[in-house]
Amino acid sequence: AQTVTQSQPEMSVQEAETVTLSCTYDTSESDYYLFWYKQPPSRQMILVIRQEAYKQQNATENRFSVNFQKAAKSFSLKISDSQLGDAAMYFCAYRRGNDMRFGAGTRLTVKP
Amino acid sequence: EAGVAQSPRYKIIEKRQSVAFWCNPISGHATLYWYQQILGQGPKLLIQFQNNGVVDDSQLPKDRFSAERLKGVDSTLKIQPAKLEDSAVYLCASSLAQVDGYTFGSGTRLTVV
Repeated sequence: AQTVTQSQPEMSVQEAETVTLSCTYDTSESDYYLFWYKQPPSRQMILVIRQEAYKQQNATENRFSVNFQKAAKSFSLKISDSQLGDAAMYFCAYRRGNDMRFGAGTRLTVKP
Repeated sequence: EAGVAQSPRYKIIEKRQSVAFWCNPISGHATLYWYQQILGQGPKLLIQFQNNGVVDDSQLPKDRFSAERLKGVDSTLKIQPAKLEDSAVYLCASSLAQVDGYTFGSGTRLTVV
């Protein structure tokens, strides 16, 4: 079974600084997708960024980028120029076919 | 594009009572998911529908949980009878294709007292 591990229950960053959230996963498959979701207090899960495992190039979405290390099964999220609105729970997720598994999440606090 | 709609937003019930949650996915999304998110944890899949058929319900506690998706659109998740450990946020999500991420609703926060 695929498992997703987020080893940082909580992280804190100063506004305008950069923070990296860690995620590792376990799989024997070579074709899959990885995601980072943001969950603010409103509870709605919002897709932040997506990475296809067959692509070597790291995905980027404005201030959000990933460091995808397929051999190491690592998928970290970097948030640049952190903003107060980035404060939320962040979940890493692995998807193969219709099976999506989530990590336990990292709570990000942004200090003004 | 309208999002995934869920209701109610909050529900408080006593243990052994029954409760039902409703979900309306994004139009055209054939796949619908129900997740349970216990406080401090990531979402856990309860059941997955493809149109009106069940694809995966291996983690659904079938002695008390049931779900249906009539006509392949709206879905209802029911708990009967509820237990204290069922207190959680119940998230509904839908997706168009396997390469896509899911679109989630705002969830229903259930408190069982």
